[in-house]
Amino acid sequence: LAKTTQPISMDSYEGQEVNITCSHNNIATNDYITWYQQFPSQGPRFIIQGYKTKVTNEVASLFIPADRKSSTLSLPRVSLSDTAVYYCLVGEAGEYGNKLVFGAGTILRVKS
Amino acid sequence: DGGITQSPKYLFRKEGQNVTLSCEQNLNHDAMYWYRQDPGQGLRLIYYSQIVNDFQKGDIAEGYSVSREKKESFPLTVTSAQKNPTAFYLCASRRTGDQETQYFGPGTRLLVL
Repeated sequence: LAKTTQPISMDSYEGQEVNITCSHNNIATNDYITWYQQFPSQGPRFIIQGYKTKVTNEVASLFIPADRKSSTLSLPRVSLSDTAVYYCLVGEAGEYGNKLVFGAGTILRVKS
Repeated sequence: DGGITQSPKYLFRKEGQNVTLSCEQNLNHDAMYWYRQDPGQGLRLIYYSQIVNDFQKGDIAEGYSVSREKKESFPLTVTSAQKNPTAFYLCASRRTGDQETQYFGPGTRLLVL
């Protein structure tokens, strides 16, 4: 399974754009990159998923360079409610994509 | 209103006691998972099931047991063999063939008396 490396924590202010980068040097051909958000004492919530280039939804954007050895989650104009732990995961979709490895994640603190 | 439910929200275990955590989903998902989360840590996989009547051990299965008699239900038993059971337990489900998008329940916090 591809291992991921993320910063332990990040601080930001309301209204700023936040970019969290994840390294996954050993990503396999069939692996997708997925980001989850977790608030204290709650289950993680899916944010965004991609395979290559750029993906955007109503919550975030995900930038993946051509070599796919890293990815960047971009949160536009964060608010206090975006304070949470963000996990980057790499895993194979479909039948064999059963084991997701959650690292410690990145603690994002948004300040007013 | 579809989703995953876990009960109870808090559970207390006495020494030497087995306790069972409930997980139910009405999303019609084939695969279900149990994770354990310790303070400040990521999630670790305990058991997972891809289909009814079948399940596999995850990375930290010792001291735990599961059953999958119905598609909707995947209960986790924390046995007396689990010496350090205090943790936050999360259940998740995924539709087979879907990209790796797991849907998580609200969690059960287990405490030892």
